Amino acid sequence: GAGVSQSPSNKVTEKGKDVELRCDPISGHTALYWYRQRLGQGLEFLIYFQGNSAPDKSGLPSDRFSAERTGESVSTLTIQRTQQEDSAVYLCASRLAGGGGRAGSPFFGPGTRLTVL
Amino acid sequence: GENVEQHPSTLSVQEGDSAVIKCTYSDSASNYFPWYKQELGKRPQLIIDIRSNVGEKKDQRIAVTLNKTAKHFSLHITETQPEDSAVYFCAASIKNNQGGKLIFGQGTELSVKP
Repeated sequence: GAGVSQSPSNKVTEKGKDVELRCDPISGHTALYWYRQRLGQGLEFLIYFQGNSAPDKSGLPSDRFSAERTGESVSTLTIQRTQQEDSAVYLCASRLAGGGGRAGSPFFGPGTRLTVL
Repeated sequence: GENVEQHPSTLSVQEGDSAVIKCTYSDSASNYFPWYKQELGKRPQLIIDIRSNVGEKKDQRIAVTLNKTAKHFSLHITETQPEDSAVYFCAASIKNNQGGKLIFGQGTELSVKP
């Protein structure tokens, strides 16, 4: 079936502008994650959604970052007043919840490469 | 909160040799430990995972071991090939039937020289 998709694949913006990144999870996956990966660096946790529970926002680096998810469908990550240090690849992953403590493994989308000039 | 440390940051081996990457985690409640391989410019791909109710898992040339007492786990790649060259990430989460937050190590850049 279709995997996790993200759009746009590349985004170039000017400092101070707002950007919106989109993630379409695998159908039926109730858990959704956003990560930031700067060039040559690791995966920095941003936010985690699970079904209708309150999201875990503990990784958002500032109040310029926000994310939404409606139900178990698409999620959007919004960065307001972008700064040059926001330049990175933003990765989304989704995961199937399972009974008996055996949720599925997370699968990543291709990412959105954000460049802030 | 959960913290995951990964070593080494770079690893160079000769083709055919074994490679070992080690990770430690801080939260004793963590019970799920996946490993991802990321090739240049591509998304991370899951290669193997282990749950806390087992101490070792193998899949062909790849194995993962878990020591819950010491809170560390390791990836072992045997008979390395040039196509194994990539960045490898470990991760840890408190896994329940909802999934759980997943925290990654800093990554290990593996280079396999022919």
